[in-house]
Amino acid sequence: TQLLEQSPQFLSIQEGENLTVYCNSSSVFSSLQWYRQEPGEGPVLLVTVVTGGEVKKLKRLTFQFGDARKDSSLHITAAQPGDTGLYLCAGGPGNTPLVFGKGTRLSVIA
Amino acid sequence: KAGVTQTPRYLIKTRGQQVTLSCSPISGHRSVSWYQQTPGQGLQFLFEYFSETQRNKGNFPGRFSGRQFSNSRSEMNVSTLELGDSALYLCASSYAGTGGVLREELFFGEGSRLTVL
Repeated sequence: TQLLEQSPQFLSIQEGENLTVYCNSSSVFSSLQWYRQEPGEGPVLLVTVVTGGEVKKLKRLTFQFGDARKDSSLHITAAQPGDTGLYLCAGGPGNTPLVFGKGTRLSVIA
Repeated sequence: KAGVTQTPRYLIKTRGQQVTLSCSPISGHRSVSWYQQTPGQGLQFLFEYFSETQRNKGNFPGRFSGRQFSNSRSEMNVSTLELGDSALYLCASSYAGTGGVLREELFFGEGSRLTVL
């Protein structure tokens, strides 16, 4: 079973600060997804990355897939309270169930 | 279009009882997956159903079971509840699930929060 480790587990920052969260594995992933889960809700897909070295931007969020496809990062610029939530990375071959990391719980304080 | 609907949203049971949770996927989605989410273990895969057949199963005891109906709606059942079964149970739907060529987006419901006393 492929495992995904996320760091940090918890992050509390002030509004306007920048932050980066990480997702690492010892295995190569054919693709990797990032989801965000807000309190009382189910996870919602933010992005899918499939090519080593790929960078995708979603407004103030920048996602990067490592060259070796074993790691990924999510960078948030000028964090806002609306960014608060649990950020989950997930991956695995398309023909197997999605494996999730345990997530990074982000709190952005106004 | 309507999202994934899970019922009930909250429920409290006692040890030894059994529980049935329901999931209605997005219209047109034929794959339904179930995940258990706890603070300690995160999201753990329970099983996936496609066209009324269980296609994948996670590493959970036989007390956990599920089924899918011809309209793609799915139910999961947990028998002989234990305290450790307290969790948020999430259902997710997609068009082809693990049968697709590319990794699909999973659309999650809001979950059913089970508390076992």
